[in-house]
Amino acid sequence: TQLLEQSPQFLSIQEGENLTVYCNSSSVFSSLQWYRQEPGEGPVLLVTVVTGGEVKKLKRLTFQFGDARKDSSLHITAAQPGDTGLYLCAGVDYGQNFVFGPGTRLSVLP
Amino acid sequence: DAGITQSPRYKITETGRQVTLMCHQTWSHSYMFWYRQDLGHGLRLIYYSAAADITDKGEVPDGYVVSRSKTENFPLTLESATRSQTSVYFCASSGDRGLTYEQYFGPGTRLTVT
Repeated sequence: TQLLEQSPQFLSIQEGENLTVYCNSSSVFSSLQWYRQEPGEGPVLLVTVVTGGEVKKLKRLTFQFGDARKDSSLHITAAQPGDTGLYLCAGVDYGQNFVFGPGTRLSVLP
Repeated sequence: DAGITQSPRYKITETGRQVTLMCHQTWSHSYMFWYRQDLGHGLRLIYYSAAADITDKGEVPDGYVVSRSKTENFPLTLESATRSQTSVYFCASSGDRGLTYEQYFGPGTRLTVT
């Protein structure tokens, strides 16, 4: 059974700071997704990366898929209080098994 | 409205009772999923369905039953609720992406078993 690990588990930063969160596995994935979940709501898809080495940008968010397709990172520039939430990575392996990581809980203080 | 809805949003039930959580999507997505989310465990897949009348177990299926007679509906039934099934339940759907399974989640049902 493949596992996705995320780090850090918790992160509390001041508004305006930059941050990076990580998603790692020993397994190879055909694609990885990032979701953000706010309290009391379901996760919302942010991005899907499918090509090793791929970089995608979504406003102040930059997502990267590792060359070996085993890891991904999410970098937020100039974090804002609205970025607060639980960030989940999810992966699909070549057996079409789908798994979520445990998440990074981000708090951006004004 | 288009999208994915869950009902009820909140439910309190007693141990041993049967309870059904409803999920409805309007996108005609082939795939539908049920997850539970608990502190310390993240999102865990209970059951999923690739199409009407096709369902399969996920990571934590024991104590749950699903059916999918229509593409748009995917109810989850707890046959005899236990306290360990107290959780937040999320339904999700996905189109025929094959490679990526991008999922769209409902707002969740918070279930408390007393």
